[in-house]
Amino acid sequence: GAGVSQTPSNKVTEKGKYVELRCDPISGHTALYWYRQSLGQGPEFLIYFQGTGAADDSGLPNDRFFAVRPEGSVSTLKIQRTERGDSAVYLCASSQTGRTDTQYFGPGTRLTVL
Amino acid sequence: AQSVTQLGSHVSVSEGALVLLRCNYSSSVPPYLFWYVQYPNQGLQLLLKYTTGATLVKGINGFEAEFKKSETSFHLTKPSAHMSDAAEYFCAVTADNDMRFGAGTRLTVKP
Repeated sequence: GAGVSQTPSNKVTEKGKYVELRCDPISGHTALYWYRQSLGQGPEFLIYFQGTGAADDSGLPNDRFFAVRPEGSVSTLKIQRTERGDSAVYLCASSQTGRTDTQYFGPGTRLTVL
Repeated sequence: AQSVTQLGSHVSVSEGALVLLRCNYSSSVPPYLFWYVQYPNQGLQLLLKYTTGATLVKGINGFEAEFKKSETSFHLTKPSAHMSDAAEYFCAVTADNDMRFGAGTRLTVKP
């Protein structure tokens, strides 16, 4: 079946602009996660959804970052007033129920802020 | 909170040699431990995971890992490296909250 998909695969924007990154999880997976991976680092947790609600958003670095999952499936990560330090690969993952389940990762969106 | 330390950002082995990638974790509660592999320009793929029960866990592509509570380790091994094993490997831990990843180990396999 289809895996986790993310769009766009690459996004180049200018400092100060607003961006949206989309994640389509595996059908039927109730848990969805966003991570950020900087060069030479492991994925860094941002936010975890259980269904439509954000069960844990403790990893969001500041209030410029926001994510939604209105129907419990597709999720959008939104970044306002982008900064050069936001440049990274943003990864989405989904799992069947909760955090101890295997997480299936998408290919990521590479965000470059000029 | 839990954390993961991967010893060695780069490991190089010859084809056919033993692969050993080291991972130590810190967790105040019994952890769930994972190894993921990331091939160039691809997403992370689960190699294996430890939840409960048998401490020696076998995964895909001939990899295995052993959970050693006394050493707080979860090292990844493969008896004989193949060229196709060249990739970035990440150890991860989760307990009752978010999953934490190590910084990764890049494995190079020489012919």
